[in-house]
Amino acid sequence: ETGVTQTPRHLVMGMTNKKSLKCEQHLGHNAMYWYKQSAKKPLELMFVYSLEERVENNSVPSRFSPECPNSSHLFLHLHTLQPEDSALYLCASSRTLRQSGNTIYFGEGSWLTVV
Amino acid sequence: AQTVTQSQPEMSVQEAETVTLSCTYDTSESDYYLFWYKQPPSRQMILVIRQEAYKQQNATENRFSVNFQKAAKSFSLKISDSQLGDAAMYFCAAISGNTGKLIFGQGTTLQVKP
Repeated sequence: ETGVTQTPRHLVMGMTNKKSLKCEQHLGHNAMYWYKQSAKKPLELMFVYSLEERVENNSVPSRFSPECPNSSHLFLHLHTLQPEDSALYLCASSRTLRQSGNTIYFGEGSWLTVV
Repeated sequence: AQTVTQSQPEMSVQEAETVTLSCTYDTSESDYYLFWYKQPPSRQMILVIRQEAYKQQNATENRFSVNFQKAAKSFSLKISDSQLGDAAMYFCAAISGNTGKLIFGQGTTLQVKP
């Protein structure tokens, strides 16, 4: 238990569906992240939020829409996804951003399958 | 830009033996930290050990230790007295103090044989 909780753990959705992934951290951290883990690829950083402000968007398609209503919650809204978007989506948090020595803590991930 | 490279896609070790996982990195920054994360079949990414780049002393956590060679930009993980529960994918990662971005290597799958 790392203090970062993701729901749902598994999600199957059609290409025309709209769904959301939720992340909640109970660590009092100010920075939150979304990572994508596909088979045979390194983890890809998607979005970074610091104090509810998006500070990084790594050329992620607009069919992925993040939302950070407060420093404890992070959402990833999904719309008209493609089968190649099927992957494990990992949420993470850290005490602050851009501070050396930051340890990043991960949730258990949400398995997404797009059919 | 930072890059992290793990050249061993798979490794195996006999239970109770020692194994070393390799990692090299490239960065132009002076302020950075290095990490090893373990990802078991549950997919939970668990921090194993971390190393401050400004420290010469190698980090150690129980059976896990690193060999940090700053000039060579090498950061290997040694697992002593390997246990069945050590079987997992291991990721080397680097974080920059300037950007706060954690960059991962490709991962090494470790098999522990009884």
